[in-house]
Amino acid sequence: AQSVTQLGSHVSVSEGALVLLRCNYSSSVPPYLFWYVQYPNQGLQLLLKYTTGATLVKGINGFEAEFKKSETSFHLTKPSAHMSDAAEYFCAVTLSQGGKLIFGQGTELSVKP
Amino acid sequence: DTGVSQNPRHKITKRGQNVTFRCDPISEHNRLYWYRQTLGQGPEFLTYFQNEAQLEKSRLLSDRFSAERPKGSFSTLEIQRTEQGDSAMYLCASSPSGGPGELFFGEGSRLTVL
Repeated sequence: AQSVTQLGSHVSVSEGALVLLRCNYSSSVPPYLFWYVQYPNQGLQLLLKYTTGATLVKGINGFEAEFKKSETSFHLTKPSAHMSDAAEYFCAVTLSQGGKLIFGQGTELSVKP
Repeated sequence: DTGVSQNPRHKITKRGQNVTFRCDPISEHNRLYWYRQTLGQGPEFLTYFQNEAQLEKSRLLSDRFSAERPKGSFSTLEIQRTEQGDSAMYLCASSPSGGPGELFFGEGSRLTVL
């Protein structure tokens, strides 16, 4: 069965610093991978997704993630953090088209001025 | 496109009572999902529909939980004989058919069982 592990339940960075949120997955077949963001009192929003093709995917708000099959990873990065990036971030995986997403436990990102 | 709508947004109930949540998906989406989220955890899959057919149900979903999507449009999630452990945010999401596309989430229904 597929699973997702997010390393670090809380990450704190300074404004303008690099953001790196780690996600590793377990899957017996090539997965489809997603990053979602959840702002306080709001629903989850898709940041980016990897399905097939280019392994470096770009998302909204300057975020990007790279699918590394050899490392079974899909880490999320942003070169320069902004205060508005403070939120909870979830990595998710699915094996089937239209099937359920399996989510990691989330990483809370704090951005210090 | 008004997005995924969930009602009520908040529900406080006493242990042993029944509660029902409603989800209205994006109109052209034929897939609908229910998730549960507790504090500090990621969303946990409960069940999913394609049109009116319930295609998968989590083993975590006890017999006290039932979900329906009678006409392939809105869905309801009922919890009977609520327990304190049922306190959580219940999330609904929808997606169009075809491909591993994104799920569009509602803002959730928060349940507090006293």
